[in-house]
Amino acid sequence: DIQMTQSPSSLSASIGDRVTITCQANQDIGTSLNWYQQRPGQVPKLLIYDGSKLHTGVPSRFSGSASGTDFSLTISSLQPDDVATYYCQQYDDLIPSFSFGPGSKVDIK
Amino acid sequence: QVQLVQSGPEVKRPGSSVKVSCQASGNTFNNFAFHWVRQGPGQGLEWIGGIIPSFGTTNFAPKFQDRVTLSADESATSVNLELRNLRSDDTAVYFCARVGPITLVRATITFYYYYMDVWGRGTSVTVSS
Repeated sequence: DIQMTQSPSSLSASIGDRVTITCQANQDIGTSLNWYQQRPGQVPKLLIYDGSKLHTGVPSRFSGSASGTDFSLTISSLQPDDVATYYCQQYDDLIPSFSFGPGSKVDIK
Repeated sequence: QVQLVQSGPEVKRPGSSVKVSCQASGNTFNNFAFHWVRQGPGQGLEWIGGIIPSFGTTNFAPKFQDRVTLSADESATSVNLELRNLRSDDTAVYFCARVGPITLVRATITFYYYYMDVWGRGTSVTVSS
């Protein structure tokens, strides 16, 4: 069973700061990882798929990197609109099945 | 414009069942899978399972295998989640989400993409005595 951990669980940063959230799998999953943003009271929104590919319409300040077990989501310049909880999602493309990380909450300092 | 429209909120007693529906519009039904995710109050996202309506295939997270049925009504372009033997910790918002598109390659179902790009707005299910 693949388990995902995320860190930090929450962070506060200033507008314009570079913010990085990490997600770790307990086994090699290649690039089978997506990132979602969920603003307060809203539906999750896809940001990054297959580890590092930016979904259509997502601002270019978001980026993802992937390396087997270690993944990161970076916001290059934090904006007020980015206040949200960010979830990584691992997928097994055999069936497919999914599992989410516990989430990382981002606030403005 | 692709939309997933979910049924309204439900309040149920422990031990009963609930059925949540999700109707797809915008020519998005036959070539996609539909998955269900739930979110308890103040909690994270939890994957429940998915269905490919055009093939009738389903798969589930192990913890839901025995209590969940997923079905599809192609004429209504809707998918349904039934959760049985409800407990208080099933209280959550239940989302449907689209995954795909899919195709057949040498008789094998193949996904172009493995992400959830369109989501319903969620259905609140409250389990309380």
